Amino acid sequence: GEDVEQSLFLSVREGDSSVINCTYTDSSSTYLYWYKQEPGAGLQLLTYIFSNMDMKQDQRLTVLLNKKDKHLSLRIADTQTGDSAIYFCAEMGGSQGNLIFGKGTKLSVKP
Amino acid sequence: DAGVIQSPRHEVTEMGQEVTLRCKPISGHNSLFWYRQTMMRGLELLIYFNNNVPIDDSGMPEDRFSAKMPNASFSTLKIQPSEPRDSAVYFCASRRAATGELFFGEGSRLTVL
Repeated sequence: GEDVEQSLFLSVREGDSSVINCTYTDSSSTYLYWYKQEPGAGLQLLTYIFSNMDMKQDQRLTVLLNKKDKHLSLRIADTQTGDSAIYFCAEMGGSQGNLIFGKGTKLSVKP
Repeated sequence: DAGVIQSPRHEVTEMGQEVTLRCKPISGHNSLFWYRQTMMRGLELLIYFNNNVPIDDSGMPEDRFSAKMPNASFSTLKIQPSEPRDSAVYFCASRRAATGELFFGEGSRLTVL
């Protein structure tokens, strides 16, 4: 079945780069997504990448997609304390396009 | 845009009581999703609708859970009777069809005592 795996925790120092990794199983996924959840809030879409791309950059965010290995990563440059949150990877699965989410990676940024 | 609107934001109830959670999707979005989030199981899809029609309800835990979407601008998730293990944050999300991205509401935090 469809599954999305990501590590549960990541801790970095302010100013460093953060890299959050994700693996997925559905090779037919057309879109892959990164969502951010701050405490007490809903999930907010950060960025997404179409499956025929291997990289997408948006300001401090860089998404890398390795379709062969079904591996997706999110790099946050110059990580700030405000980036502390849970980051969810998701793939579009199923014939009707529901999103399958990983369990989320909690990013902690130390000053 | 108002975004996805959920109510109530917080609900505390006693075991056995009926709980109704409400959602207003973003206007023009044709798909609506209900998710449940807990520490143990993460984010679980309960049910989703396309054009007001339930497509996949395999994630609904049991018969105590039901969801309706009577029109394009309103959906409910009902739990009757509620149990302590139903305590979670319930999210509603709606989708813009073109790119598939989901827009989430702020969630309804349910505590069943």
